[in-house]
Amino acid sequence: GAVVSQHPSWVICKSGTSVKIECRSLDFQATTMFWYRQFPKQSLMLMATSNEGSKATYEQGVEKDKFLINHASLTLSTLTVTSAHPEDSSFYICSERAGVMAQETQYFGPGTRLLVL
Amino acid sequence: TQLLEQSPQFLSIQEGENLTVYCNSSSVFSSLQWYRQEPGEGPVLLVTVVTGGEVKKLKRLTFQFGDARKDSSLHITAAQPGDTGLYLCAGAGNRDDKINFGKGTRLHILP
Repeated sequence: GAVVSQHPSWVICKSGTSVKIECRSLDFQATTMFWYRQFPKQSLMLMATSNEGSKATYEQGVEKDKFLINHASLTLSTLTVTSAHPEDSSFYICSERAGVMAQETQYFGPGTRLLVL
Repeated sequence: TQLLEQSPQFLSIQEGENLTVYCNSSSVFSSLQWYRQEPGEGPVLLVTVVTGGEVKKLKRLTFQFGDARKDSSLHITAAQPGDTGLYLCAGAGNRDDKINFGKGTRLHILP
């Protein structure tokens, strides 16, 4: 399977600041990566699809100006939460599709826990 | 959107017991995955099933894909505290579709 890393693993910030989360594909060149958000006791919610060299595709209800995604290389996608507020506190997880059946299996990073005070 | 319904939502059983969790949909999936997620970590892939009727075993875990590729089950034999976690099923209708996730089954194995 693919190996995905995220940095930082957790972050605490003040309301109004911006936070950048990095997602790296360590053993696979990923043209597409995915960003999810997970609130406590809930399942994963897809936020956006990150496309290398082009604009990200956002899910309905996700503000593209608030959650900036950059996928400048085949191994790195970043999610920037701009002007973070307490309601943005969540567990953010990235993933990539990889493997023999590349379109059907996703491998996830370890997640980044964001707490906005 | 192809919905995946997981049941039960919560399950707490004693160590050594057997259990089955289910993932059902009215839609057909080209493949279906099961993940386990522990608190504070990302989901870890357990298995991918692609053929209707397929059965895969991973030590004490047995996964089955329904004949019609609309449902799947996960059976755990002699559950252990290390099996505790959130079990998620996920699937896509076609290879190019986005993968949809069920809401998960939260499993707690009591020592």
